[in-house]
Amino acid sequence: KNEVEQSPQNLTAQEGEFITINCSYSVGISALHWLQQHPGGGIVSLFMLSSGKKKHGRLIATINIQEKHSSLHITASHPRDSAVYICAVSASNTGNQFYFGTGTSLTVIP
Amino acid sequence: DAGITQSPRHKVTETGTPVTLRCHQTENHRYMYWYRQDPGHGLRLIHYSYGVKDTDKGEVSDGYSVSRSKTEDFLLTLESATSSQTSVYFCATRQNTEAFFGQGTRLTVV
Repeated sequence: KNEVEQSPQNLTAQEGEFITINCSYSVGISALHWLQQHPGGGIVSLFMLSSGKKKHGRLIATINIQEKHSSLHITASHPRDSAVYICAVSASNTGNQFYFGTGTSLTVIP
Repeated sequence: DAGITQSPRHKVTETGTPVTLRCHQTENHRYMYWYRQDPGHGLRLIHYSYGVKDTDKGEVSDGYSVSRSKTEDFLLTLESATSSQTSVYFCATRQNTEAFFGQGTRLTVV
């Protein structure tokens, strides 16, 4: 069973396009995380949110707790945005576990 | 990123040999985790620790053991490495609901 599902698995976009990555989860959560991993690189936390919306530069993350759904948007995409984006949740029932999606591989073509 | 350092960053070892990976943190976070990352899977929990000498198994703990003798260090040991343990290993810490990740260790078992 997958507690966290992401879509799409792979995404190719032209530079400048608006990009949306979706995440659905099935467990009760205390927070949802969007993570970024460049090829061969470590994992960096982009956002942690438990309600509403957060914005950082060209990145916007939203969450709908009732629908158990979150989206990550990238405006005016750039080749340097090419990376794997991972959705993860801090589960509220276990108290200390994270559950991870399998990631969305984004390629932005110049 | 909570001053998380993983060592080594890369290792090639032979089947049947013991291997120890180290995770060191400087932020005094209580919770520490070891994950493995494989194509087609999200990060999967191997073991985690909720304090010095307090550890528990994750979903893929077979063939792995851990130790935490100090708050800052969490060691992952493969007692007898197998080719199925070829993977990228990530250490993470948790502060409240926020997650911090190390840079990863790429382990190849030949």
